[in-house]
Amino acid sequence: GENVEQHPSTLSVQEGDSAVIKCTYSDSASNYFPWYKQELGKRPQLIIDIRSNVGEKKDQRIAVTLNKTAKHFSLHITETQPEDSAVYFCAASTMASYDKVIFGPGTSLSVIP
Amino acid sequence: GAVVSQHPSWVICKSGTSVKIECRSLDFQATTMFWYRQFPKQSLMLMATSNEGSKATYEQGVEKDKFLINHASLTLSTLTVTSAHPEDSSFYICSAAGGSQPQHFGDGTRLSIL
Repeated sequence: GENVEQHPSTLSVQEGDSAVIKCTYSDSASNYFPWYKQELGKRPQLIIDIRSNVGEKKDQRIAVTLNKTAKHFSLHITETQPEDSAVYFCAASTMASYDKVIFGPGTSLSVIP
Repeated sequence: GAVVSQHPSWVICKSGTSVKIECRSLDFQATTMFWYRQFPKQSLMLMATSNEGSKATYEQGVEKDKFLINHASLTLSTLTVTSAHPEDSSFYICSAAGGSQPQHFGDGTRLSIL
């Protein structure tokens, strides 16, 4: 089955700096890669996703890149703000809405004011 | 956007009792629902996938007799933790998907077994 790895497990950055989280996946059949932000005790919130026919996607301060050949994908947050502090999970799935989503282990991001 | 309601949000009970958690899709038909478990400071681990009207598919290592899943309608799935013990204490989250809807997560249930 699919296995998703994620690095780093913890990340501290100064407010205004950029944060980068990297993930790898194992199943070449995966073609949908969502990123979730989870605040303590709350549900995961989808913040951005990318499909395998696209190499990069950007939404304001957040961008994702995908290297399908290497099975790598990354999340980039620019101009970080304290409210960006949370746990971020990468995940892999197929584009079928009924397919299971496999989560990475998570990255705890702290943005220091 | 689509809404998934999960109930209860918090439950505390004695060891040996059974606990039922409900997951409802409020504005779309959920052909598939997923149940996850999350221990403190860990990731979401998929427990099982349930399709409406059929038996759930459990992930490796998840005891199907311990975690009973019922998905009797297109808007409701339930997870029953039978004979719960302290090691079953965790955050349980459901998600629902169907038709053109991607997975939408419920708010989660924090289960504490004394």
